[in-house]
Amino acid sequence: DQQVKQNSPSLSVQEGRISILNCDYTNSMFDYFLWYKKYPAEGPTFLISISSIKDKNEDGRFTVFLNKSAKHLSLHIVPSQPGDSAVYFCAAVALSGYALNFGKGTSLLVTP
Amino acid sequence: EADIYQTPRYLVIGTGKKITLECSQTMGHDKMYWYQQDPGMELHLIHYSYGVNSTEKGDLSSESTVSRIRTEHFPLTLESARPSHTSQYLCASSESTGGYTDTQYFGPGTRLTVL
Repeated sequence: DQQVKQNSPSLSVQEGRISILNCDYTNSMFDYFLWYKKYPAEGPTFLISISSIKDKNEDGRFTVFLNKSAKHLSLHIVPSQPGDSAVYFCAAVALSGYALNFGKGTSLLVTP
Repeated sequence: EADIYQTPRYLVIGTGKKITLECSQTMGHDKMYWYQQDPGMELHLIHYSYGVNSTEKGDLSSESTVSRIRTEHFPLTLESARPSHTSQYLCASSESTGGYTDTQYFGPGTRLTVL
């Protein structure tokens, strides 16, 4: 039973524009959320995280928004750059947990 | 940021062979993890360790075993490889400061193919 869902397998955005990657979750016990970026033949790299007590966290060009009532989070990248082209994984962990629960990832392509 | 290494990066092996996937980290992290990922799918936790001589199975059942004799080293072993074990195996580590909010840092992964 997949508890973290990324329903868009791929996304294409023009350089300079905003990229919005979405993630939904079903487990109400999830308390902490993370985004990882993965290039081919490399392991996932931590990008940004957000605690359930917040609804927004910003780090440079990356902003994560959390809507707890909708069990939805999104990652905004502004402005998008070609180097942002990668697979982005959403992950969640429960207060009592240890394991990261991952979505299947969204492949972002930023075109010049 | 953690420095975490995995060898080999790619492994093609025949059915029935015993294999060990190596994972080492140089940051002194207490917690280490093994995840398995099939192409286009999510990562699943198969093993984790809170420290030396501590190992637990993850959410996804796996025929592999792990050991943690040294803080920096967390090898994964398959006694008899089968084609169903073909997958990517990712090792991760994290500090033990914030509990469940400790960021996990990943190695580059081992792509295993069993013929």
